[in-house]
Amino acid sequence: GQQVMQIPQYQHVQEGEDFTTYCNSSTTLSNIQWYKQRPGGHPVFLIQLVKSGEVKKQKRLTFQFGEAKKNSSLHITATQTTDVGTYFCATNTGTASKLTFGTGTRLQVTL
Amino acid sequence: DVKVTQSSRYLVKRTGEKVFLECVQDMDHENMFWYRQDPGLGLRLIYFSYDVKMKEKGDIPEGYSVSREKKERFSLILESASTNQTSMYLCASIASGRSYNEQFFGPGTRLTVL
Repeated sequence: GQQVMQIPQYQHVQEGEDFTTYCNSSTTLSNIQWYKQRPGGHPVFLIQLVKSGEVKKQKRLTFQFGEAKKNSSLHITATQTTDVGTYFCATNTGTASKLTFGTGTRLQVTL
Repeated sequence: DVKVTQSSRYLVKRTGEKVFLECVQDMDHENMFWYRQDPGLGLRLIYFSYDVKMKEKGDIPEGYSVSREKKERFSLILESASTNQTSMYLCASIASGRSYNEQFFGPGTRLTVL
């Protein structure tokens, strides 16, 4: 089945530093979704991108979908301790509602 | 407010036991999913259901079965639990026919098989 690779697996930053996680596929993606999972919690939907080259912002978070629709990134500006968690990308595969998830990037933020 | 609930947050079972994990959603969603989450492996799809009594295998169905007798309830069954099924199990649901198709997750069940 379709595979989505996500890097890095883990990143530790000081509060105020920026953070980026990347999602890559060898095939063209129909869309990309991003989820955040706080420690001890469950994944919560952040956003969906569907158009080639699309960029969306949510406060300090910037989401991009590549021109070829084979990669995506999530960038956090000036991280805060509330950003701690694991960020997953996901894409629709097969039937319309089925998602394939990336392996996730765990973000740790310290003061 | 959208809600997906799972029967237990934590469960400890012995090898060979039959284990039932229950998931209920109150959003009238057609599609429901069971994932397991393991460190470094992300979320892997075990089974999903797109309608009552309908099911499809996901990426890792071996050792599991499912049941969907009612639209709101999707059960995951471990016929004979093994230690390699120790994991976090997450249920999710989504409506059909939506262009904005986010999945809503339950709180998860952390299963330990001894």
